[in-house]
Amino acid sequence: QEQLVQSGAEVKKPGSSVKVSCKASGGTFSRHSIGWVRQAPGQGLEWMGGISPILGKTNYAQKFQGRLTMTADETTTTAFMELSSLRSEDTARYYCARGRKQWLEREYDLWGQGTLISVSS
Amino acid sequence: DIVMTQSPDSLAVSLGERATINCKSSQSVLDTSNNKNYLAWYQQRPGQTPKLLIYWASTRESGVPDRFSGSGSGTDFTLTISSLQSEDVAVYYCQQYYTTPLSFGGGTKVDIK
Repeated sequence: QEQLVQSGAEVKKPGSSVKVSCKASGGTFSRHSIGWVRQAPGQGLEWMGGISPILGKTNYAQKFQGRLTMTADETTTTAFMELSSLRSEDTARYYCARGRKQWLEREYDLWGQGTLISVSS
Repeated sequence: DIVMTQSPDSLAVSLGERATINCKSSQSVLDTSNNKNYLAWYQQRPGQTPKLLIYWASTRESGVPDRFSGSGSGTDFTLTISSLQSEDVAVYYCQQYYTTPLSFGGGTKVDIK
């Protein structure tokens, strides 16, 4: 069964960084893009960016430019999202989601379970 | 950037009745070269992860009940639940994937009246 399994919840200090992993299983990793979407408590979905391993492309939302890095390891079929200079407003559940095809511009047909990141001093 | 605006923010519908959710994009998400609207709908039940319901504005994802339907083109889209069931209580989001940055609507909460 195809699934995306994310790393566990973390509590971070303001100014620090967090790296979330998203392991894909049961499918063909390189045939899909991976997007990262976050959801602050009680709020809606916010697209952060995406990566296409086979196309070698990444795209980040403007608001995260400079502190967001997305990578992917095809040998372990794992995608990573690293967010630096954390602030309290970054407290949210972070989801990875699989794009239907390799392009960044596709719908998300499979989602990870989400990773709760709490930023607090 | 394309801004997605949903309406209403919330609605309450009686069991078995129709629910209609609207989504408007700030610019067209229709690719005239292939006549496809790059618009998806997701359902997020309480405490759960989002689930894809509809893509290409009107194509139902495998396994999605046929009471869910999507329509519209260009900048105006609609998700219709023809006969609301208790398990349909959720927040529904539209998303454009026409161009990066991809973007979601603010969500519409559907409850039972």
